[in-house]
Amino acid sequence: KNEVEQSPQNLTAQEGEFITINCSYSVGISALHWLQQHPGGGIVSLFMLSSGKKKHGRLIATINIQEKHSSLHITASHPRDSAVYICAVLPPGNFNKFYFGSGTKLNVKP
Amino acid sequence: DADVTQTPRNRITKTGKRIMLECSQTKGHDRMYWYRQDPGLGLRLIYYSFDVKDINKGEISDGYSVSRQAQAKFSLSLESAIPNQTALYFCATGPGANTGELFFGEGSRLTVL
Repeated sequence: KNEVEQSPQNLTAQEGEFITINCSYSVGISALHWLQQHPGGGIVSLFMLSSGKKKHGRLIATINIQEKHSSLHITASHPRDSAVYICAVLPPGNFNKFYFGSGTKLNVKP
Repeated sequence: DADVTQTPRNRITKTGKRIMLECSQTKGHDRMYWYRQDPGLGLRLIYYSFDVKDINKGEISDGYSVSRQAQAKFSLSLESAIPNQTALYFCATGPGANTGELFFGEGSRLTVL
């Protein structure tokens, strides 16, 4: 049983396209992370959300708590956005147990 | 310098060897974690620690041990490495306050032949 499901698993886009990556989860949460993992392997947290919407440059993350769904949008995609994007959720009151999605591999072609 | 540093970044070893992966952080965080990443799977928790005297098993702790030598240092050991421990290992830290923030190291790629 996967508490966090991401779609699509793989995504190829042309430079400049608008991209959406989806995350659905089945547990109650206090926070949701969108993480980025570049081919070199390191992971960075792009956003931490508990409600609503956040924007950072060309990246926008939204969350609908009632529907247990979050989306990561990339506007005007660029080849440097090529990476694996991982959704992670944190249940309330439990900092031990993050549930991670298996990731969405994005390839943006020039 | 990175806030969370892992060494070594890459290691190839043979079955039966003892391996230690080290993690150090400059963020002053109380919580430290070791995760394992395998292709097609989400990150899985091996061990976590809330402070120097607090060590807890995660979901896949068999075959691993850890040591929290100081607030800033958390080491993962494979006492007798086996091929199915070939994976990418991540150390992560989080503040002790009521926040879900998480900061990752750059990963240690381990290959067990």
